Amino acid sequence: GDSVTQMEGPVTLSEEAFLTINCTYTATGYPSLFWYVQYPGEGLQLLLKATKADDKGSNKGFEATYRKETTSFHLEKGSVQVSDSAVYFCALSPANTGNQFYFGTGTSLTVIP
Amino acid sequence: DTEVTQTPKHLVMGMTNKKSLKCEQHMGHRAMYWYKQKAKKPPELMFVYSYEKLSINESVPSRFSPECPNSSLLNLHLHALQPEDSALYLCASSQGGMGPTDTQYFGPGTRLTVL
Repeated sequence: GDSVTQMEGPVTLSEEAFLTINCTYTATGYPSLFWYVQYPGEGLQLLLKATKADDKGSNKGFEATYRKETTSFHLEKGSVQVSDSAVYFCALSPANTGNQFYFGTGTSLTVIP
Repeated sequence: DTEVTQTPKHLVMGMTNKKSLKCEQHMGHRAMYWYKQKAKKPPELMFVYSYEKLSINESVPSRFSPECPNSSLLNLHLHALQPEDSALYLCASSQGGMGPTDTQYFGPGTRLTVL
């Protein structure tokens, strides 16, 4: 079945460091891929998405490219800030059904000044 | 505007109480979802309503009873809960298309504690 495998955390970085959080998926066809961010005590916020191969989603300095050949959707940011400290979830919406999301396990990021 | 609202923000209840969680969206979305999230875990899908009809029930115990009174509102009625039901309950909505590009938008959640 469809699934998402996400890089284990927690991740601790210094401010202005480069961030990569790995996400790979297993799915048939062409799913849509998403990154959500959850700040402490809050719900999930959509960070970015990509709906077809080679699409690049971007928002607030974060980027992720839908790579069909490597079944990956890694999240990157060139220079993290303390305010980026949160839990990041990779998610997949299958190609052949609606209303169903598969989430990765989440990666906790802490950015220290 | 991509806002989903949830009330209450926090809820403490005993195992014999009956309470309800409320979710509202005014984006014209036709699919609404309930998720349960335990600490340091991803959300787990509980129920999906599509066009006000229950379309997915992920084998949730009957002490959780969803209701969709109209296309903007989603309730979750709680009765005789157990302490292990303590969690963050998240509501989400999406346009309701059946394709993979349907994006879910989440509310801030209700933090439920069962004593």
